[in-house]
Amino acid sequence: DAGVIQSPRHEVTEMGQEVTLRCKPISGHNSLFWYRQTMMRGLELLIYFNNNVPIDDSGMPEDRFSAKMPNASFSTLKIQPSEPRDSAVYFCASTGTGGLLYGYTFGSGTRLTVV
Amino acid sequence: GQQLNQSPQSMFIQEGEDVSMNCTSSSIFNTWLWYKQDPGEGPVLLIALYKAGELTSNGRLTAQFGITRKDSFLNISASIPSDVGIYFCAGANYGGSQGNLIFGKGTKLSVKP
Repeated sequence: DAGVIQSPRHEVTEMGQEVTLRCKPISGHNSLFWYRQTMMRGLELLIYFNNNVPIDDSGMPEDRFSAKMPNASFSTLKIQPSEPRDSAVYFCASTGTGGLLYGYTFGSGTRLTVV
Repeated sequence: GQQLNQSPQSMFIQEGEDVSMNCTSSSIFNTWLWYKQDPGEGPVLLIALYKAGELTSNGRLTAQFGITRKDSFLNISASIPSDVGIYFCAGANYGGSQGNLIFGKGTKLSVKP
């Protein structure tokens, strides 16, 4: 299994530009999570999906952030327009039905820098 | 919402030393997990604990599920340079109303050769 695949690994963009982060979960996993990691706040849950349906987006910082999961094998996190304070590492994670017992599998992350 | 307090925030140790870190919660969990994040990578699961008082080992790592169900501990014996990284605890209530893992803010470990 290739694990959770995120792209790109690194993204540098100018303030005001649209940024799209992509995630392919592990095949067969039915839950997908987007996290943001910063030094100050640690790992923050932004949104999660069960069976492609958004369940809780209360962690999305503001309307500039949006996430979609059009099918079981693909999800995107979009920031429009981007701001310097969005600079962080964004992780995607997935799990099957036993996620709270066996944990989530994380991707390698996308390091976003907004200048 | 629920929060986990993880301590210490960072540790600087000499190779060969033992390491201890812990995680406490204001509420109980029935599952505790410990993750390690290598530099530039995502967190990877190290150990899972499911029963109060349970002690589980994975090589040089040993973790314990606290008796009160509000805390957990991770020990690393005879540290080596590749132990460098950030260690996260996570708690969950499988079968309960809390749908997600709750993560601590991590303990950053530095090992001097």
